[in-house]
Amino acid sequence: NAGVTQTPKFRVLKTGQSMTLLCAQDMNHEYMYWYRQDPGMGLRLIHYSVGEGTTAKGEVPDGYNVSRLKKQNFLLGLESAAPSQTSVYFCASSTSVRTYEQYFGPGTRLTVT
Amino acid sequence: AQSVTQLGSHVSVSEGALVLLRCNYSSSVPPYLFWYVQYPNQGLQLLLKYTSAATLVKGINGFEAEFKKSETSFHLTKPSAHMSDAAEYFCAVRNSNTGNQFYFGTGTSLTVIP
Repeated sequence: NAGVTQTPKFRVLKTGQSMTLLCAQDMNHEYMYWYRQDPGMGLRLIHYSVGEGTTAKGEVPDGYNVSRLKKQNFLLGLESAAPSQTSVYFCASSTSVRTYEQYFGPGTRLTVT
Repeated sequence: AQSVTQLGSHVSVSEGALVLLRCNYSSSVPPYLFWYVQYPNQGLQLLLKYTSAATLVKGINGFEAEFKKSETSFHLTKPSAHMSDAAEYFCAVRNSNTGNQFYFGTGTSLTVIP
């Protein structure tokens, strides 16, 4: 049982390049989330999904797109990377009942130069 | 609107001393409250959660937190700090109004001095 995994762990992009971050979970969770973590700002929600084929915007969605084609996978895309998107990105998944307790992946450290 | 405030972005304690990390929340309805811990270069791990049962919640690694509705607080404590407790700690809230969205505090970095 791997829990939540993220690919890649590290990435360096040049301004304007694109990339996709992959999140996978094997807990059969309905809900999945993408956060970014920046110093002094805690975790901010980018996008989330309440089920296969559905996505919704979070607090800071601009510059990102997501897709949830399979229940176990949640992809985060950057179409044209900007230095402001330098951050650590965390994926999480949760149950769809009661507390919605979230389980986090190990993170992806992205640097945009 | 729901929010979480963590007082003190950095806290230092001596090994063996009491750990107290503060969290205040705002919520218009009864909340679910969580404390997460993040060790360097790792993801967040759930320490404990309040789900409207007992107000004193015990978590992993000897941590506990007390829900105080009158003070809108959910402070995290541990009687005796250990070197391995050095980490970043996040408080989070969700309630029925926020659905499946969590709101996280900005985090408190705990340093344990030998």
